[in-house]
Amino acid sequence: AQSVTQLDSQVPVFEEAPVELRCNYSSSVSVYLFWYVQYPNQGLQLLLKYLSGSTLVKGINGFEAEFNKSQTSFHLRKPSVHISDTAEYFCAVRPYSGGGADGLTFGKGTHLIIQP
Amino acid sequence: EPEVTQTPSHQVTQMGQEVILRCVPISNHLYFYWYRQILGQKVEFLVSFYNNEISEKSEIFDDQFSVERPDGSNFTLKIRSTKLEDSAMYFCASFPGTASYEQYFGPGTRLTVT
Repeated sequence: AQSVTQLDSQVPVFEEAPVELRCNYSSSVSVYLFWYVQYPNQGLQLLLKYLSGSTLVKGINGFEAEFNKSQTSFHLRKPSVHISDTAEYFCAVRPYSGGGADGLTFGKGTHLIIQP
Repeated sequence: EPEVTQTPSHQVTQMGQEVILRCVPISNHLYFYWYRQILGQKVEFLVSFYNNEISEKSEIFDDQFSVERPDGSNFTLKIRSTKLEDSAMYFCASFPGTASYEQYFGPGTRLTVT
């Protein structure tokens, strides 16, 4: 079984400042890792994913994340945020094994609040 | 760009009633999923569906729940006898079955049981 912990339920940041949203996971098997974003009244949209290879992955909207296996972390970063980044951010994992049938295990989400 | 759609966006029902939540996955996707999010809690996996049968289900997906793909385009979640604790946002997702492992989510249906 897997579990995901997002340490901050809410992160306020000033516009154009950098931000890091933290995600740690626990799993007895290797996992794929994902970050999803949910804008108000919309569904979940994939920001980026780590499947294999380089541990630094880049996604849409200027976001990036680094996979750290020893610390079982997958923190999301952006060097300069905009008002439009205000949203809920979810970290998720799914196991390597199995096919497409496995569901994602999500964290509780972090609400990113951009202050002008 | 193709997207997953869900109807209705909001459903209000009385306790004990049956509800059907509808989803239209992206055409040519092979795997379909339902998730739920109780207010203030995590998004939780309910069930996955492939080749016209359930592939995986969580412990939440008990006998009151069922899924169906009745006509090759719709994917439905039925809750037989709703309880207050079924109030949640229900998300449908689909996945093409490629090595990208990206699941595409719909906007959700908010179910309120009174």
